[in-house]
Amino acid sequence: SQTIHQWPATLVQPVGSPLSLECTVEGTSNPNLYWYRQAAGRGLQLLFYSVGIGQISSEVPQNLSASRPQDRQFILSSKKLLLSDSGFYLCAWREGLAEAFFGQGTRLTVV
Amino acid sequence: QKEVEQNSGPLSVPEGAIASLNCTYSDRGSQSFFWYRQYSGKSPELIMSIYSNGDKEDGRFTAQLNKASQYVSLLIRDSQPSDSATYLCARDRGQNFVFGPGTRLSVLP
Repeated sequence: SQTIHQWPATLVQPVGSPLSLECTVEGTSNPNLYWYRQAAGRGLQLLFYSVGIGQISSEVPQNLSASRPQDRQFILSSKKLLLSDSGFYLCAWREGLAEAFFGQGTRLTVV
Repeated sequence: QKEVEQNSGPLSVPEGAIASLNCTYSDRGSQSFFWYRQYSGKSPELIMSIYSNGDKEDGRFTAQLNKASQYVSLLIRDSQPSDSATYLCARDRGQNFVFGPGTRLSVLP
C-alpha cells in the first residue's frame, strides 16, 4: 500500500533562517506531488505541484521554492524565512486524476 | 466568483441528525470532486470521491453531484460528536486541485 512521510512535524525557526521540508512517498511510481500551506483558520493554498522529476509548477509567487530530485521525493525550501511563512505545510500525492492523499503536515512557526 | 465555495459555518446539528454540507463550483469542465475531513491540527483525510451525476453512498456518508447546477453535497447520517471537524470540498483542475474554504461542523451530544 502507498504511504506518505513528511517531516518534521513541528518546526520553530527565526526570521531570516533557511527552511527545508521533505516529503517522500512509498508504494507508487511517478505520482503527482503537491505542497499546500494552510494559515490558521484558513483554507488550503496550493504552493507547488510536480508531475515528474525536475518538473515544478508554482501557483503563487513567494519566498519559497520546491524541488523534486527523485521520483518520490518532494522538497520545499526557503533561503530566508519571513514571519508570513508561518503555517501548516502539507504534502500530498496523487496517481493520475484520482484522489489526493496528504501527509501528516509540518507546523512551522517563524519567530 | 470563487472557484469552489462553501459556507464556512459553523453548522451545528444534534447527535443522531443528518448533517448536510454543500459546495458550489464555477468551472463546468470539472470532472472529479472530493470531500475531505480535517480535524483541528491534523491533515485532511479523504472521505469520498464522486465523478458522475447522482448519489454515491459509503456507510453513513452520501455524496451528491449535480453537474448541471454545479453543485456537490455531502450528507452525514446519524451524526456523531466524532464527526465534528472541518469538511473540505475539492474539484480537479487539470493536474491539481482546487479546495473550498471548508465548512466547520459541530455535532452536539
